Amino acid sequence: GDSVTQMEGPVTLSEEAFLTINCTYTATGYPSLFWYVQYPGEGLQLLLKATKADDKGSNKGFEATYRKETTSFHLEKGSVQVSDSAVYFCALLYLGGGADGLTFGKGTHLIIQP
Amino acid sequence: DAGITQSPRHKVTETGTPVTLRCHQTENHRYMYWYRQDPGHGLRLIHYSYGVKDTDKGEVSDGYSVSRSKTEDFLLTLESATSSQTSVYFCAISEFVGRWQETQYFGPGTRLLVL
Repeated sequence: GDSVTQMEGPVTLSEEAFLTINCTYTATGYPSLFWYVQYPGEGLQLLLKATKADDKGSNKGFEATYRKETTSFHLEKGSVQVSDSAVYFCALLYLGGGADGLTFGKGTHLIIQP
Repeated sequence: DAGITQSPRHKVTETGTPVTLRCHQTENHRYMYWYRQDPGHGLRLIHYSYGVKDTDKGEVSDGYSVSRSKTEDFLLTLESATSSQTSVYFCAISEFVGRWQETQYFGPGTRLLVL
């Protein structure tokens, strides 16, 4: 079946460092791809998304490009802040959701030190 | 903010007791979902609904039932709670843009501890 793989961490960086969180997926079709962020004690917030190959999603300085040839959707940010400390989830979704819903990776815990 | 609330936000219960969690949405979304979040597993789909009285099972549905008698409410019931059901439960809705773009938005979660 479909799956999403991402580094679990924790990933620890210094403030203003460059961030990459890798996400790869296996899928039988052509899903949409998402990054969600979960701050401590809170629910999941949509960070960005891409619906087809070569689409780039971006939000709050974060970017990710839907790479069909490498089945990847890596999350990047040029200069991280302490406030970016959170757990980041990569996920895929087929149109119509339903029985499969979102398929999530296990989450990457990001810690940014001042 | 997709207008999703969950209640209760925290609950402690004992093994063998029934528990019902409520998800309420204010924006008339057709699709609603229940997920559970556990360390090392990410989020996994329990049940979903595609309309009033229309529900189906997800990946980890054993031990759970759901009901949807109104568009705005989706209830998750643990008939007889077990310690393995200690988890954080999230409700979600689907929002569509045209036919080809679907995004799920999540509620704040319910933290359940089964002793």
